[in-house]
Amino acid sequence: NAGVMQNPRHLVRRRGQEARLRCSPMKGHSHVYWYRQLPEEGLKFMVYLQKENIIDESGMPKERFSAEFPKEGPSILRIQQVVRGDSAAYFCASSPPETEKNTEAFFGQGTRLTVV
Amino acid sequence: DQQVKQNSPSLSVQEGRISILNCDYTNSMFDYFLWYKKYPAEGPTFLISISSIKDKNEDGRFTVFLNKSAKHLSLHIVPSQPGDSAVYFCAASAPSGYSTLTFGKGTMLLVSP
Repeated sequence: NAGVMQNPRHLVRRRGQEARLRCSPMKGHSHVYWYRQLPEEGLKFMVYLQKENIIDESGMPKERFSAEFPKEGPSILRIQQVVRGDSAAYFCASSPPETEKNTEAFFGQGTRLTVV
Repeated sequence: DQQVKQNSPSLSVQEGRISILNCDYTNSMFDYFLWYKKYPAEGPTFLISISSIKDKNEDGRFTVFLNKSAKHLSLHIVPSQPGDSAVYFCAASAPSGYSTLTFGKGTMLLVSP
């Protein structure tokens, strides 16, 4: 049973370009969460999605950031017109459907975005 | 506004001794707490959790204690092993119906032989 798969592992973008980060949840999981870790910081929640629905995007910056989790395929975190401050590690986590309220989420290995 | 605080950026312990990692929180709505372990260039790995209805949960060498009145929890690792060297994150969730987590900044544990 493969874990949460994120790709690419490393992504370098020039300022102003677009970054697309992909996350395939664990088999059988339909809940996906995106977190961002800035240097010397903890992980900060960005967005929670279920298939074809954004449930909570309270942690997403208001501009340039968007996320989707289509019926088929991976979840995508999209950052338009990247700036140097977007450089961070972006982690995806997943949990199964009908999740009991208290449960752990399983994390992927992360995508390290560097904006030059 | 940091709702989950890990005030010790690092901790050094000798192999075989006890490691105690501390975590404080400010949001009284948190009712579920987790510890994650993270190696460099990897994602966080779940370690142990505790519900607010308990004050202790034990799993092998790992024990988490929760003091709700003090809004404090701690992770005890005994005996510590060199392979335990990693960054440990404390995380908490509120009864919102799903598993969105609020993380602390982490404590780097170094266990020396």
